[in-house]
Amino acid sequence: GAGVSQSPSNKVTEKGKDVELRCDPISGHTALYWYRQSLGQGLEFLIYFQGNSAPDKSGLPSDRFSAERTGGSVSTLTIQRTQQEDSAVYLCASSLAAGGTYEQYFGPGTRLTVT
Amino acid sequence: TQLLEQSPQFLSIQEGENLTVYCNSSSVFSSLQWYRQEPGEGPVLLVTVVTGGEVKKLKRLTFQFGDARKDSSLHITAAQPGDTGLYLCAGDAGGTSYGKLTFGQGTILTVHP
Repeated sequence: GAGVSQSPSNKVTEKGKDVELRCDPISGHTALYWYRQSLGQGLEFLIYFQGNSAPDKSGLPSDRFSAERTGGSVSTLTIQRTQQEDSAVYLCASSLAAGGTYEQYFGPGTRLTVT
Repeated sequence: TQLLEQSPQFLSIQEGENLTVYCNSSSVFSSLQWYRQEPGEGPVLLVTVVTGGEVKKLKRLTFQFGDARKDSSLHITAAQPGDTGLYLCAGDAGGTSYGKLTFGQGTILTVHP
């Protein structure tokens, strides 16, 4: 079956440009998460969506970061006016529902490089 | 802010050796998960523990959740080169943070043949 997919797999952008990262979760999964992983680091929570509830945006590092989830499925993470410190692998995950007992299935990530 | 301290950060051992990775916090977690990540891929769940004192075994891997649900360990017996990878622990604080995982920094394990 199809897993979580993310696009693009790699993105190189110039400082100051906007980027959009896409996540296609597993069909039927109501919860969707975005994380950021810097070189040699663990995963840093950014935002999660659960059904029709308001998203938990508490992990977004600045107002340059935003995310939306359309139709309860596909999600887009947007980074405006990118900075070099935004360079990282951005991972998306989905689960049947929110909660630590529900397995989160991760996509392969988008490697973002800001030059 | 919930923090998970994972140790050691790096582990390089020979095939056949045993090893233990630790995950510690001053906070209580409603559940804790262990993941393994290969280069260029997302993490894959190995196990979830939810009960204080719980021990789960997955072939040569043994996972333990502390009685107070603040710490956990992963023990690998007779490590093999195929065990090489990044191991991550992640905790769910529950309550208003339900579903929002806090990850440890990870342990990079290298098993030499």
